Amino acid sequence: GAGVSQSPSNKVTEKGKDVELRCDPISGHTALYWYRQSLGQGLEFLIYFQGNSAPDKSGLPSDRFSAERTGGSVSTLTIQRTQQEDSAVYLCASSRTGRNQPQHFGDGTRLSIL
Amino acid sequence: SQQGEEDPQALSIQEGENATMNCSYKTSINNLQWYRQNSGRGLVHLILIRSNEREKHSGRLRVTLDTSKKSSSLLITASRAADTASYFCATDDSGANSKLTFGKGITLSVRP
Repeated sequence: GAGVSQSPSNKVTEKGKDVELRCDPISGHTALYWYRQSLGQGLEFLIYFQGNSAPDKSGLPSDRFSAERTGGSVSTLTIQRTQQEDSAVYLCASSRTGRNQPQHFGDGTRLSIL
Repeated sequence: SQQGEEDPQALSIQEGENATMNCSYKTSINNLQWYRQNSGRGLVHLILIRSNEREKHSGRLRVTLDTSKKSSSLLITASRAADTASYFCATDDSGANSKLTFGKGITLSVRP
């Protein structure tokens, strides 16, 4: 597709379960980002990929959060042993090359932890 | 620490009026970007202004940048109900590992 695609669009799960969120960036974009947005709030940076490597993981809130990117394309964000405070919208974005370029966002995954 | 801070937090205007939103930041930047987010959607890039530029236009959007005051403004002229959204500024700090840092956003409501 032409834009950034995220799946699932909504995820409801019980506290303590693991969840996996997927992001398909725009084809050819080498930079990929994950953000978290709580209701009515701004964006909280989580992690940045350049190709398959993650030179900046500084935003991951705890070791329960991890992410990988394969083939310089698809990325997955995994949250283990989910907690209620993990409830938020998780947004993925990509940009052509560098971190300071315009970013193209997916519509996010709305995660609800019961 | 938060780089860009938008002002006001919320703005309500009548269709046809102009909307002005402001963003202030703390450190030197390479560029500043404005994004729009409609409810339930991702952010959409609107405009990028570089640190050596003072004003930029795109359709009904006008962005200014004052690096001496470390501030930017986004003006939407002749607003429409469809402009109702949240607007975010994002600054790219000029460090070696520059990255975009987003503000908390401004909620704009345009009444028909």
